[in-house]
Amino acid sequence: DAGVIQSPRHEVTEMGQEVTLRCKPISGHNSLFWYRQTMMRGLELLIYFNNNVPIDDSGMPEDRFSAKMPNASFSTLKIQPSEPRDSAVYFCASSFIAGERTDTQYFGPGTRLTVL
Amino acid sequence: AQKVTQAQTEISVVEKEDVTLDCVYETRDTTYYLFWYKQPPSGELVFLIRRNSFDEQNEISGRYSWNFQKSTSSFNFTITASQVVDSAVYFCALSEARGGSQGNLIFGKGTKLSVKP
Repeated sequence: DAGVIQSPRHEVTEMGQEVTLRCKPISGHNSLFWYRQTMMRGLELLIYFNNNVPIDDSGMPEDRFSAKMPNASFSTLKIQPSEPRDSAVYFCASSFIAGERTDTQYFGPGTRLTVL
Repeated sequence: AQKVTQAQTEISVVEKEDVTLDCVYETRDTTYYLFWYKQPPSGELVFLIRRNSFDEQNEISGRYSWNFQKSTSSFNFTITASQVVDSAVYFCALSEARGGSQGNLIFGKGTKLSVKP
């Protein structure tokens, strides 16, 4: 079975440009998570969707960041306009969560974003 | 508030040595999950183990073993007879089993393990 798929794997852009990161969760999972990893802050949750609905976006840094999940098999994380401090590895993860059942999160390979 | 502490930032061992990675957690929840993930130099996050708060049995998987002790809020990870391929950053994580943050992973800062030949 395919794992979590992310694209692109690497993105280099200039400050002020729009960046869109994409994620396809594991089929059958109903929860999707976006994380950011930096040396300074480690791994931090940005936003969490359950059944395509954003449940917790308290980790989204500011209005320049937005995330959508139009259907169960696709999500995007957009940064507009991008800034050098957004440079990081962005991970998408998926899981199945319902009632008191909380399954393991499996991670995609990540997108390494560099903003010049 | 939930918190995961991995006090060891970096550990270096020689191949075939045993090594233990420490993890201490804080939570007010009575039901929660604990995890270990491995991040090799290639960068992906690989799931190793998941434990729920009601299951304090230790677990062994090949050269890997985990010691969960609720009394000390610890979930330590031991690699026996370490190998060069074990070199990676290892993350301990915690998640609630209920509530608005159900499923959210709170990660420790990670422990970088270097195994030298």
